[in-house]
Amino acid sequence: GQNIDQPTEMTATEGAIVQINCTYQTSGFNGLFWYQQHAGEAPTFLSYNVLDGLEEKGRFSSFLSRSKGYSYLLLKELQMKDSASYLCAAMDSNYQLIWGAGTKLIIKP
Amino acid sequence: SAVISQKPSRDICQRGTSLTIQCQVDSQVTMMFWYRQQPGQSLTLIATANQGSEATYESGFVIDKFPISRPNLTFSTLTVSNMSPEDSSIYLCSVDSGGWQETQYFGPGTRLLVL
Repeated sequence: GQNIDQPTEMTATEGAIVQINCTYQTSGFNGLFWYQQHAGEAPTFLSYNVLDGLEEKGRFSSFLSRSKGYSYLLLKELQMKDSASYLCAAMDSNYQLIWGAGTKLIIKP
Repeated sequence: SAVISQKPSRDICQRGTSLTIQCQVDSQVTMMFWYRQQPGQSLTLIATANQGSEATYESGFVIDKFPISRPNLTFSTLTVSNMSPEDSSIYLCSVDSGGWQETQYFGPGTRLLVL
């Protein structure tokens, strides 16, 4: 079956760095997406990886290892506004997104 | 990225009634998606709507309960029929960005509470 695993909740301190891990099992693979979702709002696109390696975009970076079925989202210089849920989604061979349950990130001052 | 609007943004409905949710995009898109997100949970795909063809429903979702229209390349509707409290959820439409990334962009969502 198809499956996405990510931690339910993480806590970090303002100004610090946090890494949110995601492992996936899909029928075929056409890329790994990260979305941010603030409470009561729709998900917003953060990043897309289809090749192995690290993609850096400002304070956010995303890493992919296709051989390990593994990705992480790295958030640097954490700000209070980064408190949100972070959704990992893998695209399967039918170009359908398989969604993880999301990781709720709590930032403390 | 596409700008997506949804109507209504929220509603409170009585059991047994139906609600139609509208999704409008500011550009022409091939694929539109309807999701449900129950409190504290991730996204569940209801169906994929392509213009000019019948919507494709995911396991557990049927056309009689969630009829979808896609009359043109910028608009779609999802109807939640014969509602029960279990249908209380956020309903989100999303569109495919096209291009190689196949990124999906989401509308603001419709918050539905069924009493």
